[in-house]
Amino acid sequence: GENVEQHPSTLSVQEGDSAVIKCTYSDSASNYFPWYKQELGKGPQLIIDIRSNVGEKKDQRIAVTLNKTAKHFSLHITETQPEDSAVYFCAATGGGTSYGKLTFGQGTILTVHP
Amino acid sequence: EAGVTQFPSHSVIEKGQTVTLRCDPISGHDNLYWYRRVMGKEIKFLLHFVKESKQDESGMPNNRFLAERTGGTYSTLKVQPAELEDSGVYFCASSQGALAMFFGPGTRLTVL
Repeated sequence: GENVEQHPSTLSVQEGDSAVIKCTYSDSASNYFPWYKQELGKGPQLIIDIRSNVGEKKDQRIAVTLNKTAKHFSLHITETQPEDSAVYFCAATGGGTSYGKLTFGQGTILTVHP
Repeated sequence: EAGVTQFPSHSVIEKGQTVTLRCDPISGHDNLYWYRRVMGKEIKFLLHFVKESKQDESGMPNNRFLAERTGGTYSTLKVQPAELEDSGVYFCASSQGALAMFFGPGTRLTVL
């Protein structure tokens, strides 16, 4: 089955700096890669996603890149703010009937210092 | 529009007891999923409903876990009898189409 590795496990940055979180996946059939942000006491919130026919996607300060050949994808947050502090999860899934079976990475605790 | 809701938010039970978790998906979402996160580990898939049918239950750990979605609306996840290793946070999610899942706040289950 699919295996997703996420790094780093913790990331500490100063407000205004950029943050990058990287994930690798094992199943070449995976074709959908969402990123989730989880704040304390809440469930994971979808912040951006990318499909395998796209190399990069941006939404304001957040961007995701995908390298299908190397089987890795990354989350980039620019101009970080204290409210970006949270746990971030990457995930991957394939198509067909298994589309609902997300395989998650281990999570990255992002801390943005004012 | 209300999001995915889960009840209870916390549950503390003793080993051997039964617990039932409930999930109300976003209205109109045919797809409903259960995931859980055991302490310190990644979030893991349990099962997937499409309306009232189980599309994929390959993540259910054993037969102590029973999920139902009668009528294709809300879902329940029963653990009977509960074991210590069942402790964790149980998330429910729903989606309209094949992707873009929306998660609920989770139920934190503690088995003593």
